[in-house]
Amino acid sequence: KQEVTQIPAALSVPEGENLVLNCSFTDSAIYNLQWFRQDPGKGLTSLLLIQSSQREQTSGRLNASLDKSSGRSTLYIAASQPGDSATYLCAADNQAGTALIFGKGTTLSVSS
Amino acid sequence: SQTIHQWPATLVQPVGSPLSLECTVEGTSNPNLYWYRQAAGRGLQLLFYSVGIGQISSEVPQNLSASRPQDRQFILSSKKLLLSDSGFYLCAWSVDMVIYIEQFFGPGTRLTVL
Repeated sequence: KQEVTQIPAALSVPEGENLVLNCSFTDSAIYNLQWFRQDPGKGLTSLLLIQSSQREQTSGRLNASLDKSSGRSTLYIAASQPGDSATYLCAADNQAGTALIFGKGTTLSVSS
Repeated sequence: SQTIHQWPATLVQPVGSPLSLECTVEGTSNPNLYWYRQAAGRGLQLLFYSVGIGQISSEVPQNLSASRPQDRQFILSSKKLLLSDSGFYLCAWSVDMVIYIEQFFGPGTRLTVL
């Protein structure tokens, strides 16, 4: 059964810092890994999707990597801004490939 | 472009009352549809998913049920709400390709059961 863990649970950084959010999953036989952003009281916004054949994806200041063999993914945020403050969720698909299993998220706070 | 709607946005219901939450998707056909719940201090938990009209799969035993009466409509229901049903309910959709399931989420419904 797929399980997804995110470390740290919370992170506070000053504006401008580069940072890394970590995600690990137990079943390496995944098709996809997806990173989301959630603002308080809101739905999820898809940030990056990494398919199993890929090792990384980039969008603006965000870069996500995937290492299936070790069961890990990282989300790198460059030059963080206060507007990046949110909860970041990692999700990997289940063994049947029919749905996503989510971690509990990392709550990021960027101070100006 | 595709859009996903959920309503209501917030709901306060007494224990034992019925529930009906609705989700609709625009701009795509034959999507996979999902219901998740996000409870305080817990991650998102998949409740139901559907690959077509009338086809519902349940991930966890619970007090809730789901139905898909139309291609782009997904409904979450309960006959009698429990306190433990409180949470943030999110609907999501993905294209009908099992091994490529980038999911897109709606704005959510905040349910409080008193």
